[in-house]
Amino acid sequence: QKEVEQNSGPLSVPEGAIASLNCTYSDRGSQSFFWYRQYSGKSPELIMSIYSNGDKEDGRFTAQLNKASQYVSLLIRDSQPSDSATYLCAAYNTNAGKSTFGDGTTLTVKP
Amino acid sequence: NAGVTQTPKFRILKIGQSMTLQCTQDMNHNYMYWYRQDPGMGLKLIYYSVGAGITDKGEVPNGYNVSRSTTEDFPLRLELAAPSQTSVYFCASSPRGGTGELFFGEGSRLTVL
Repeated sequence: QKEVEQNSGPLSVPEGAIASLNCTYSDRGSQSFFWYRQYSGKSPELIMSIYSNGDKEDGRFTAQLNKASQYVSLLIRDSQPSDSATYLCAAYNTNAGKSTFGDGTTLTVKP
Repeated sequence: NAGVTQTPKFRILKIGQSMTLQCTQDMNHNYMYWYRQDPGMGLKLIYYSVGAGITDKGEVPNGYNVSRSTTEDFPLRLELAAPSQTSVYFCASSPRGGTGELFFGEGSRLTVL
């Protein structure tokens, strides 16, 4: 079992729709969770972080964390073509000082 | 504000050659990391460092070496390059006492032929 698993893509949504990206993790020592966006040929950039159970909203993005279920999600509302990218979920273990990444989900938003 | 700088951006190596990927950051971050990313895959940790003089292996350290003599620099050495090391390499840094957010360099694309 991979330490961080993401729902297999690719995911395609029409412009204006909600895109839902999911991630599960196995290391219960993970304390911080991140979503990175990676455009083709570019480096990952941090778009959301979440540390405690519940929802965290930032503009069109909402991250959700459920530590009991070891589940993290990212919702993108009013999806735009510019949101088309690969989204990487990462779980950070503070004691180890390192993050583990999932394989990513590629999102395409069609105009 | 340079952030994390990697050099070179592109390199082609022949099998058996060696090279060093350079990484430097100007944010005074204690934690630094080297990841590799194969096509269609996520990031796999090669080596990381929590401070000058301290390094540790990640998931895929074989064929690589690192050193951390200063806070700013974290070079990755490839010895005896093999085709399996063809990948994109990302260096990243993170502040000590932070929550693990990573700041990435632009990446170095390495091809071994």
